[in-house]
Amino acid sequence: ETGVTQTPRHLVMGMTNKKSLKCEQHLGHNAMYWYKQSAKKPLELMFVYSLEERVENNSVPSRFSPECPNSSHLFLHLHTLQPEDSALYLCASSQEKPSGTSGGSQETQYFGPGTRLLVL
Amino acid sequence: SQKIEQNSEALNIQEGKTATLTCNYTNYSPAYLQWYRQDPGRGPVFLLLIRENEKEKRKERLKVTFDTTLKQSLFHITASQPADSATYLCALEATGYSTLTFGKGTMLLVSP
Repeated sequence: ETGVTQTPRHLVMGMTNKKSLKCEQHLGHNAMYWYKQSAKKPLELMFVYSLEERVENNSVPSRFSPECPNSSHLFLHLHTLQPEDSALYLCASSQEKPSGTSGGSQETQYFGPGTRLLVL
Repeated sequence: SQKIEQNSEALNIQEGKTATLTCNYTNYSPAYLQWYRQDPGRGPVFLLLIRENEKEKRKERLKVTFDTTLKQSLFHITASQPADSATYLCALEATGYSTLTFGKGTMLLVSP
């Protein structure tokens, strides 16, 4: 186990449903991420919460809405999704150093097992 | 635009041989490069990190090289085993940025 848990592991939803994905990290990290992984495509960064600041990928549709109530928990709220949103959604965490720190600002990311989402 | 390229075709090798995977990048000035392993239906797992001022890094049967002139990293698994079969991803953090960009990954199949 990597110390990052995700629920549910599998989710089937209709296009009119509203659901939420949950991620929890037990590593004491200060940054959390949502990625989308589709077949034959690289991991696509969706959202980052880092040092209590949210960074977005501007190409992510508004039907995806993240929430980070504290440094250990991260949610991805889903509403009116499309079939092309079917994918593996991965959560990750890392310990980010403040900018200007030598050695780079961010190191290893620890991933959860993912939620396999199917939108019908 | 920035690009990371990994061989999209699966690499098939025989058990006991050395597997070599390639990661090429363009329009990056990476502070460091990371390699991850991903099994089907699972999240990626970190393997090795190599910094821009390092030429080579080793961990047990794994070796990573980093050539910033060629803009390339090579990932080697010596004495490969069927359990090494997985998809291997390289990831870059560009200097001055705080997020990772991943390549598509290369699938490695080690046959007994």
